[in-house]
Amino acid sequence: QVQLQESGPGLVKPSQTLSLTCTVSGGSISSGGYYWSWIRQHPGKGLEWIGYIYYSGSTYYNPSLKSRVTISVDTSKNQFSLKLSSVTAADTAVYYCARGNCSSTSCYTDYWGQGTLVTVSS
Amino acid sequence: QLVLTQSPSASASLGASVKLTCTLSSGHSSYAIAWHQQQPEKGPRYLMKLNSDGSHSKGDGIPDRFSGSSSGAERYLTISSLQSEDEADYYCQTWGTGVWVFGGGTKLTVL
Repeated sequence: QVQLQESGPGLVKPSQTLSLTCTVSGGSISSGGYYWSWIRQHPGKGLEWIGYIYYSGSTYYNPSLKSRVTISVDTSKNQFSLKLSSVTAADTAVYYCARGNCSSTSCYTDYWGQGTLVTVSS
Repeated sequence: QLVLTQSPSASASLGASVKLTCTLSSGHSSYAIAWHQQQPEKGPRYLMKLNSDGSHSKGDGIPDRFSGSSSGAERYLTISSLQSEDEADYYCQTWGTGVWVFGGGTKLTVL
């Protein structure tokens, strides 16, 4: 069974860059048909899609965050990463990595990480 | 614009059934969705993918008490024989070309 685990600093200063890594186990990140995604949840709020990446490096980002987001993949380590630049307190959230099960007709999340809280504060 | 609308809250009694609704925006009534459950203080869990014709495929280990159905632009999640652990937030998700959209979530209270 696929498992995803987020890692990275829990505290980031305003204006700096938030960096998180997701390690995938139980399956290869290079398997076709899957997009590797980041989703966040502000405290007490709903889910917000940040973006996703295919193992080849193709990326799609939420237009509202696109100017500040970079998602990358390291197939040799079976990991993918998120960088969010110029953070503010509004970026304080639980960040989830997830697998997207994608075909020509559908693309939905079928496995989630447990999430990691990132607080933006000086 | 692709939007999913969910009622903020729902409640039902222990042992009863409840039907949660996710509504697709105008022009998107043929879209499939996915349902996810988020228990308190936990990460989300995938429940099922639900097609416009009502056919659905569930995630690993999802009990038979969870089922899905569709009518027009509405997608439903029915939970029967409600248990205390079903008290959770339920989110629907859909997708377009290079975009994912989540509904605002429904908080289910089991009385």
